[in-house]
Amino acid sequence: QKEVEQNSGPLSVPEGAIASLNCTYSDRVSQSFFWYRQYSGKSPELIMSIYSNGDKEDGRFTAQLNKASQYVSLLIRDSQPSDSATYLCAVMDSSYKLIFGSGTRLLVRP
Amino acid sequence: EADIYQTPRYLVIGTGKKITLECSQTMGHDKMYWYQQDPGMELHLIHYSYGVNSTEKGDLSSESTVSRIRTEHFPLTLESARPSHTSQYLCASTSMNTEAFFGQGTRLTVV
Repeated sequence: QKEVEQNSGPLSVPEGAIASLNCTYSDRVSQSFFWYRQYSGKSPELIMSIYSNGDKEDGRFTAQLNKASQYVSLLIRDSQPSDSATYLCAVMDSSYKLIFGSGTRLLVRP
Repeated sequence: EADIYQTPRYLVIGTGKKITLECSQTMGHDKMYWYQQDPGMELHLIHYSYGVNSTEKGDLSSESTVSRIRTEHFPLTLESARPSHTSQYLCASTSMNTEAFFGQGTRLTVV
């Protein structure tokens, strides 16, 4: 079992829709959780960080964390074609390793 | 804006050469990371450090070595470059409950 798992996609949504991206992790004592966006050939760009259970909203983005279920998600409201990218979930585990999932490719159709 | 820098951005070097990829951050982060990423593929952790004089190997076996003599500096060294080392190398830093940021990356080509 991989330490951080994501559906590779592609996830295709129409412009203006809500995109929902999911991630599960294996280390129950993981402490910090991040969502990144990566365009082809570029470095990952931080979108959201979340450290405690519940929801955290920032503009069109909402991160949700459920430590009991070892699950973290990212919602993108009013999706735009410019949101088309690979979305990476990252988890800092109990040994301070920052582990990334393989990423979910999101396509927003105009 | 993230204050983490990688140099060089691009490097083309011959087989057998020794190279050092630089990574520096001015945010005072205690944790730093090196990742290797091939085009279209996932990020693989190759080294990390949770403080000065601490270094650990990541999940992907790598022939590179790292050092952490100063908080802000985490260089990665390849003693003898090979074509199989051709990849993008990404450095990141963070502290507890603090956002983790990446540098711009170094694209290495070994010919």
